[in-house]
Amino acid sequence: QVQLVESGGGVVQPGRSLRLSCAASAFTFSTYPMHWVRQAPGKGLEWVAFISYDGSNKYYADSVKGRFIISRDNSKNTLSLQMNSLRTEDTAVYYCARRGNWGSAYDYWGQGTLVTVSS
Amino acid sequence: DIQMTQSPSTLSASVGDRVTITCRASQSISYWLAWYQQKPGKAPNLLIYKASTLESGVPSRFSGSGSGTEFTLTISSLQPDDFASYYCQFYDSYPWTFGQGTKVEIK
Repeated sequence: QVQLVESGGGVVQPGRSLRLSCAASAFTFSTYPMHWVRQAPGKGLEWVAFISYDGSNKYYADSVKGRFIISRDNSKNTLSLQMNSLRTEDTAVYYCARRGNWGSAYDYWGQGTLVTVSS
Repeated sequence: DIQMTQSPSTLSASVGDRVTITCRASQSISYWLAWYQQKPGKAPNLLIYKASTLESGVPSRFSGSGSGTEFTLTISSLQPDDFASYYCQFYDSYPWTFGQGTKVEIK
């Protein structure tokens, strides 16, 4: 069965960096676009970033543009999010999500990893 | 950017009730609208995509309708497992955007 497993979350001070990873299994990772979505504690969902199946196209939410970098390694079935210059408002559970085929939306999500930005 | 406005933000209902949640887009988005269910501490789960296509494995009591700027998610007969939060999402051009969510509570 399709699995997405995030890792790398934790507590970090404002201004520091953190790198999240998402390990994919049981599907052909290299043929699917992938996304990061976050959810601040007690709040709604916020789209963060997109990367095309081959990594050639990337888009970011304005709130993270210039600070976060999405990447993928199709040889290792891994999606990453490099988060720099972290702010307290970046505190959230971060999910990786797969966009499905045939016009679907996010058909599979990881379990999420919590990032807390605090001094 | 396209803004998605969901209503109501909270809904109190009883088992067996017919429930409708509305999502409005700030401009026409054709049918590029998805609905998700989320339970506390869990990742969201896709219910509906392309406004009205039921995701595989989702019970048929869930249905979606609409196009352009106004969309609805309907639960025909609310079940105990349906008490949760629901989100709409625009997912065509970037940035993709979510509605603010609707929490369905037990009356």
